[in-house]
Amino acid sequence: DAGITQSPRHKVTETGTPVTLRCHQTENHRYMYWYRQDPGHGLRLIHYSYGVKDTDKGEVSDGYSVSRSKTEDFLLTLESATSSQTSVYFCAINTGSPRETQYFGPGTRLLVL
Amino acid sequence: GENVEQHPSTLSVQEGDSAVIKCTYSDSASNYFPWYKQELGKRPQLIIDIRSNVGEKKDQRIAVTLNKTAKHFSLHITETQPEDSAVYFCAALTGGGNKLTFGTGTQLKVEL
Repeated sequence: DAGITQSPRHKVTETGTPVTLRCHQTENHRYMYWYRQDPGHGLRLIHYSYGVKDTDKGEVSDGYSVSRSKTEDFLLTLESATSSQTSVYFCAINTGSPRETQYFGPGTRLLVL
Repeated sequence: GENVEQHPSTLSVQEGDSAVIKCTYSDSASNYFPWYKQELGKRPQLIIDIRSNVGEKKDQRIAVTLNKTAKHFSLHITETQPEDSAVYFCAALTGGGNKLTFGTGTQLKVEL
């Protein structure tokens, strides 16, 4: 499982509330990613990080922010959750061996009511 | 940016038959193409990948082919088994970066 954990694994929240999802890795890999998965859309990149305090936007970043204050943790925050953010969220890491290969965490299932 | 199209969206085969899933990409600078398998309720798992300097790669019953000129790549599964039933995703690495763009997935069902 490449040493990736996500928390929480399931969450139900209400529209307008803030939500933070956590991705934790144990092997100090540089690159970390947040994706959302929705039927008919595959996996879409939200944000990614290429080092502590270094982050960049993906294709569906609106309504999301991220932070990486430590190598091992990458946080995804929904500032004010909306029903359209109901999804399964996957974190991934790039192990660098080979350079491009990404491995996924177990996922977080989020329901916004 | 990169755009990856994947076909078919669903595929049903008889056990023992072959299955082929096809993807096309738009960015000629893309140079790495992984395939992931996702079982119901689980995370996507890398099953095979290919780089742009290689035309074909095999691993037991699965193989991937790449046609750089036409900008398409395909996953081939031979002698399919019920445990091959899953959703399969192709992806392409955008040139110059470490970002993957994924296809929309193929639901493969292997029937007994």
